[in-house]
Amino acid sequence: AQSVTQLGSHVSVSEGALVLLRCNYSSSVPPYLFWYVQYPNQGLQLLLKYTTGATLVKGINGFEAEFKKSETSFHLTKPSAHMSDAAEYFCAGKAAGNKLTFGGGTRVLVKP
Amino acid sequence: KAGVTQTPRYLIKTRGQQVTLSCSPISGHRSVSWYQQTPGQGLQFLFEYFSETQRNKGNFPGRFSGRQFSNSRSEMNVSTLELGDSALYLCASSLVGQGAANSPLHFGNGTRLTVT
Repeated sequence: AQSVTQLGSHVSVSEGALVLLRCNYSSSVPPYLFWYVQYPNQGLQLLLKYTTGATLVKGINGFEAEFKKSETSFHLTKPSAHMSDAAEYFCAGKAAGNKLTFGGGTRVLVKP
Repeated sequence: KAGVTQTPRYLIKTRGQQVTLSCSPISGHRSVSWYQQTPGQGLQFLFEYFSETQRNKGNFPGRFSGRQFSNSRSEMNVSTLELGDSALYLCASSLVGQGAANSPLHFGNGTRLTVT
């Protein structure tokens, strides 16, 4: 069964600094991976997805993620944090035919 | 295109009561999934409906049930409410369901249920 682990439940970054959120997956089959963002009192919004093909995936709001099969990782990055990036981020994955499994979430705090 | 709509946004119920939550998916989406989100347990999958049939079910007691109508709208019902049912309930729709690779979930803003 697919499982997803996010390292760090809270991350604090300064405005303008690199944002790096870590996600590792476990699966015996090639996974489909997603990053979602949740702002307060809202649902989850899709940031980006990896299905097949290019391992570097670009998403909305300047975020991107790299699929590394050898490390079973799908880390999310943004070169320069903005105050509006303060939110909770969820990594999710699934094997073909299975339901989506979410990581525990990482709350990002952006300091001015 | 309108997004996923969940009603109501907020609910306050008393232990022992029952509650029904509603979800209208994005037009053309045939799959609706429900999730419970709590600070302690995170996002937990409740069930998925596709073309009026329950296709997947999470590990929740039978007090949690759902259904989907022919227009793809879905309702979720919780009977005999317990304090621990207090949570944000999220509905998500997708074009062909969670099993498909290129069919991401689109979430509504949720219904926040408080049980007192």
